[in-house]
Amino acid sequence: EPEVTQTPSHQVTQMGQEVILRCVPISNHLYFYWYRQILGQKVEFLVSFYNNEISEKSEIFDDQFSVERPDGSNFTLKIRSTKLEDSAMYFCASSEGAAGGPYEQYFGPGTRLTVT
Amino acid sequence: LAKTTQPISMDSYEGQEVNITCSHNNIATNDYITWYQQFPSQGPRFIIQGYKTKVTNEVASLFIPADRKSSTLSLPRVSLSDTAVYYCLVGSNTGGFKTIFGAGTRLFVKA
Repeated sequence: EPEVTQTPSHQVTQMGQEVILRCVPISNHLYFYWYRQILGQKVEFLVSFYNNEISEKSEIFDDQFSVERPDGSNFTLKIRSTKLEDSAMYFCASSEGAAGGPYEQYFGPGTRLTVT
Repeated sequence: LAKTTQPISMDSYEGQEVNITCSHNNIATNDYITWYQQFPSQGPRFIIQGYKTKVTNEVASLFIPADRKSSTLSLPRVSLSDTAVYYCLVGSNTGGFKTIFGAGTRLFVKA
């Protein structure tokens, strides 16, 4: 069964540093998403991406966040200057059609980001 | 996006059927109802989706009454490995591609 992959599985960084989290969505999917989950809390939507542009973003996704699909397979989330409160699990997801309708999202295993 | 309300937690025993109900009073005409399962330190995993009436797949059933203001996820004969958080999501893709997860229902299956 096809799956979404994410690298690295765990990233430790110092406050103020830039990090790039990488995802490889399922190959025939057109819609891509990033979510985060702070330990013990609910899954929070960050951004959706379609046709090489952001479709929707949440209030969390401020100017320090950016997403990119640099080639035909990768989808990245960049955090420019990390803060302690960015420590969380970050999940990438993809779907064949737009989520919310009759299309399920496939989630990756996540990247645990620890900011010290 | 319709707001959803689920029980915070539920306990069950192995072999029992578990029913988790989700309220979504403000569901819109185009909205679908989707359930995801999440194990600790893993990404959510799709379980089932429906629009109306009943949907069944190899792992669960989803019951949706005619008014669609609620839905019930039914897990037949749960095992210890079904211990997880279950999320009910309601939405459509006509208003953008934003997905909102609620707090979910923590199901704890005991031996």
